[in-house]
Amino acid sequence: DAGVTQSPTHLIKTRGQQVTLRCSPKSGHDTVSWYQQALGQGPQFIFQYYEEEERQRGNFPDRFSGHQFPNYSSELNVNALLLGDSALYLCASSFNTGYGANVLTFGAGSRLTVL
Amino acid sequence: SQQGEEDPQALSIQEGENATMNCSYKTSINNLQWYRQNSGRGLVHLILIRSNEREKHSGRLRVTLDTSKKSSSLLITASRAADTASYFCAPVGGNNRLAFGKGNQVVVIP
Repeated sequence: DAGVTQSPTHLIKTRGQQVTLRCSPKSGHDTVSWYQQALGQGPQFIFQYYEEEERQRGNFPDRFSGHQFPNYSSELNVNALLLGDSALYLCASSFNTGYGANVLTFGAGSRLTVL
Repeated sequence: SQQGEEDPQALSIQEGENATMNCSYKTSINNLQWYRQNSGRGLVHLILIRSNEREKHSGRLRVTLDTSKKSSSLLITASRAADTASYFCAPVGGNNRLAFGKGNQVVVIP
C-alpha cells in the first residue's frame, strides 16, 4: 500500500518564477494538507483540501494556491517566487472521519530552492 | 496561539537512557499528537492523546497530557541510536488543524 507520494523531490527555481508541486495521498484518504517547513523550523500549515475545495488556510499570501482533483491528488502552486519561499514542502493526507482526530500521513517532501 | 512549543529544543543522551520532552500550548484542544522527523524527511505519526485522556503508551513511548496546565510530555524509554530525530508536538483545536512547534532535536549517542 503506497503512502503519500510527492514530486518532484528537489527543484531549483529563480526569483519571480512559478512552481507546481504534486501530491498523491495514501490510498483511502480523502483530505490533503500542505505544509511549509523552513530550515530548523516546524512545519507551517498552508492549506487543506477536501472534496476538491480549500477548507482551511493558514497565514500564507495568495501567491500560494492549490487544487484537489477528483482522485484526491493535489497540487500546490506558488507564483512570483521569493527567496524566502525556499523550504521543504510537505504534503499530508488523512481520512475525514468527521470526529476531528485527524492523524496525518506525510510524504517525504519537495525541497524547493529559490535563487 | 494553538501552536505547540517544545522544551528542551535540543537533547543529547546516551543509548539506553530515557528521553523526556515537554510541550506547552495556549488554547483548548481536542487532542494532541506527537510526530517524529528524520533528517528533513516527512513526519511520522507516533501517538495521539485525546483531551479526556491523561496518559497513553505505545511500545517504548509514554505520553502524558495535563489540560489544566496545557502541557504534554513524551517519554522515550531505553533509547536507541535510531531514535535520533526531531520530535514535534501538535495540539489540535476546534479547527482540527495541527499546529506544529519548532520541535525537539534528540541525539542518541551509541
